[in-house]
Amino acid sequence: NAGVTQTPKFRILKIGQSMTLQCTQDMNHNYMYWYRQDPGMGLKLIYYSVGAGITDKGEVPNGYNVSRSTTEDFPLRLELAAPSQTSVYFCASSYRDRNSPLHFGNGTRLTVT
Amino acid sequence: GQQLNQSPQSMFIQEGEDVSMNCTSSSIFNTWLWYKQDPGEGPVLLIALYKAGELTSNGRLTAQFGITRKDSFLNISASIPSDVGIYFCAGRLTGTASKLTFGTGTRLQVTL
Repeated sequence: NAGVTQTPKFRILKIGQSMTLQCTQDMNHNYMYWYRQDPGMGLKLIYYSVGAGITDKGEVPNGYNVSRSTTEDFPLRLELAAPSQTSVYFCASSYRDRNSPLHFGNGTRLTVT
Repeated sequence: GQQLNQSPQSMFIQEGEDVSMNCTSSSIFNTWLWYKQDPGEGPVLLIALYKAGELTSNGRLTAQFGITRKDSFLNISASIPSDVGIYFCAGRLTGTASKLTFGTGTRLQVTL
């Protein structure tokens, strides 16, 4: 019973490099989300998806891109990494029901130097 | 964007003491959720609240959905060392079925 799985757990990037953070869930959830968590702060929504082929911006989408080709996977792409993107990134998923709580992965800690 | 004011920011308490924390908003929410985050892990759901005035317990934890729908509180009774962590409130605004807004967290430290 894996739930929400994120890879990698840690990554160090140089400024200007690109990378993809992977997220997969095995709960057949329709909705998936990407949040970032900066030190001492709550979680800020980057992008979300209500189903395969559908994505939408959250509060802080600049510098990121997403795709949702399958129900299970929701990768987050950083094209030109910047120090401001140093953060812990959490992927989450939920059922379509508006009352459904979010289930989170264990996060990816990204440092951009 | 929408923000939730969560207080206190941090608490240092002794084992066995009760704990209370709360979240307030200027907007009306139709769902309140309380999460706990342990170091190096993602948030884990503790309690979900769906109706104004609702009071729900989960073991030593009790949470309430404020009757104005703009606030919620979480109480932990008889704290134990494993209660250490960061507690987040999260709310779902009316009309936003898919998005949660998170508070800034309450860091709880428990001393023996």
